[in-house]
Amino acid sequence: SQKIEQNSEALNIQEGKTATLTCNYTNYSPAYLQWYRQDPGRGPVFLLLIRENEKEKRKERLKVTFDTTLKQSLFHITASQPADSATYLCALRTGGFKTIFGAGTRLFVKA
Amino acid sequence: GAVVSQHPSWVICKSGTSVKIECRSLDFQATTMFWYRQFPKQSLMLMATSNEGSKATYEQGVEKDKFLINHASLTLSTLTVTSAHPEDSSFYICSPLLSEDEQYFGPGTRLTVT
Repeated sequence: SQKIEQNSEALNIQEGKTATLTCNYTNYSPAYLQWYRQDPGRGPVFLLLIRENEKEKRKERLKVTFDTTLKQSLFHITASQPADSATYLCALRTGGFKTIFGAGTRLFVKA
Repeated sequence: GAVVSQHPSWVICKSGTSVKIECRSLDFQATTMFWYRQFPKQSLMLMATSNEGSKATYEQGVEKDKFLINHASLTLSTLTVTSAHPEDSSFYICSPLLSEDEQYFGPGTRLTVT
């Protein structure tokens, strides 16, 4: 069956450190993978998209890697800040532009 | 980014009643609209896909007669939860398709059925 798994339900790190979140998927062949941020009681906010032919994408303090052989994406936040505390969702775009989400990882950045 | 609004932002209704949720794309037109729901501490689950002027396509396990979707214009889509029950209590989020690369989400509507 098709699955999207994010490595942990919650991740606690110290301010200034790099947060690394993992997304693994099985039985999908996505054209691309996306990462979103979701705050409590709010809709997801798009962060980054990476295509199947791209290995890495950066945006300010964010970096995403995509390994289609391992079927894995890593999401990094460098120099993390308490304001980065949120739930981060991995999502795959499948045929028909449907976006399928992982369960998310709640990140807590401690000052 | 694109601006998407939902109304109401939260609603409490009694079991057996119907609730309508509106989703508007304020600064662009969307031919395709996705509706998701999210239960506490779970991820977003796609419920249905609608295209302007045609019937919605529902995901497996989602009752089309219970969750009525109307996508009458390029800027407005509505989701009506008919004969709501407590198990329908959830966070409903719309997402208009802007382009192949860009997908934006509404702020969500919290439905509580008592």
